[in-house]
Amino acid sequence: DAKTTQPNSMESNEEEPVHLPCNHSTISGTDYIHWYRQLPSQGPEYVIHGLTSNVNNRMASLAIAEDRKSSTLILHRATLRDAAVYYCILRDVFGNEKLTFGTGTRLTIIP
Amino acid sequence: ETGVTQTPRHLVMGMTNKKSLKCEQHLGHNAMYWYKQSAKKPLELMFVYSLEERVENNSVPSRFSPECPNSSHLFLHLHTLQPEDSALYLCASSRTRTGLGDTQYFGPGTRLTVL
Repeated sequence: DAKTTQPNSMESNEEEPVHLPCNHSTISGTDYIHWYRQLPSQGPEYVIHGLTSNVNNRMASLAIAEDRKSSTLILHRATLRDAAVYYCILRDVFGNEKLTFGTGTRLTIIP
Repeated sequence: ETGVTQTPRHLVMGMTNKKSLKCEQHLGHNAMYWYKQSAKKPLELMFVYSLEERVENNSVPSRFSPECPNSSHLFLHLHTLQPEDSALYLCASSRTRTGLGDTQYFGPGTRLTVL
């Protein structure tokens, strides 16, 4: 699986938008971009995924660069409950279900 | 609530004990997974089961023995563990194992401490 690079940590104020970046310069044409997050003392949970076009769901938005070498997870209005470690993961559509977790970005929300 | 439950949530055991971790999914999924999350380290995939057949074993020591009696249940049998095996053990499931952008659902994990 191609690798991703994320900042180790970020801070954001409550009720403000948060942009979490992810670089994946070696992404292949068949790699989906997945985001998971892990709240304290819980297992990871799925947030969103996409291939080429920007995606929106009730949790977040995913903005994918035109060359697909980077993407940004957008939380439109951060709450304290969004404090978590966010993982950006690439997964080949023709591969198996193996998720390779890196160290992710630890997001701190400031009240 | 993700539809994946794990018991026990916390477990303390000695190095000579034998214990089992249990995972149950109520999602009708066909693939199940065990992950290990040690302090300060990324999640590591341990085992993958698809339709009750083990399809992946990531060089896990034999003191960890998985069992998948049916598509809803997954066990991890533990014996003669070492203190470095202390970690959070996570179970996950997905509808299929194929890489079609499918989603994995994780349980809350079992926090294991080996004394």
